[in-house]
Amino acid sequence: ELKVEQNPLFLSMQEGKNYTIYCNYSTTSDRLYWYRQDPGKSLESLFVLLSNGAVKQEGRLMASLDTKARLSTLHITAAVHDLSATYFCAVDPSGGSNYKLTFGKGTLLTVNP
Amino acid sequence: DAGVTQSPTHLIKTRGQQVTLRCSPKSGHDTVSWYQQALGQGPQFIFQYYEEEERQRGNFPDRFSGHQFPNYSSELNVNALLLGDSALYLCASIRTGAGTGELFFGEGSRLTVL
Repeated sequence: ELKVEQNPLFLSMQEGKNYTIYCNYSTTSDRLYWYRQDPGKSLESLFVLLSNGAVKQEGRLMASLDTKARLSTLHITAAVHDLSATYFCAVDPSGGSNYKLTFGKGTLLTVNP
Repeated sequence: DAGVTQSPTHLIKTRGQQVTLRCSPKSGHDTVSWYQQALGQGPQFIFQYYEEEERQRGNFPDRFSGHQFPNYSSELNVNALLLGDSALYLCASIRTGAGTGELFFGEGSRLTVL
């Protein structure tokens, strides 16, 4: 059974600081997703990482994928309050077009002034 | 271009009742998946529909069933509701074979079972 583990589960940051969220998974996969969820809302797609070594950046967020280590990271640079949300990573183990995602438990990020 | 739309947004049922949730995929998308998200948890895959057939299924009992229509819209049905079925139900759509692999999620239907 595929397991997806995120660390940390809770993260309290000060504005302007940098931090990294880690996502480990237990089976071979070359398709990794990052989503953001605001309270009571749906999932907003942040990144889709499709191959080993993939790196994508959008604003203050940068995601990377190491399929050999079965690890993805979401790096936050110079955090601002608007980044406060829950962040999920999700893995599609099929390597093809199954799109059956297994999610981590999420990281609740709070950015304090 | 409308994204993934779901209805109803909120509903309250009692134990033992049945519920039907509806989803219209994003324009051009032909594959619809349903996820259950309990409070404080990540979403869990229920099942996926393509060409009006259930293509994949997660670890959910037969009380959970679904349907896909020729226009690609989908329904999720839950029979004999339990308190533990209270959750946010999310629909996601994608165009099969899409190179980006990006799934789009709807706003969800929040079900409360009393």
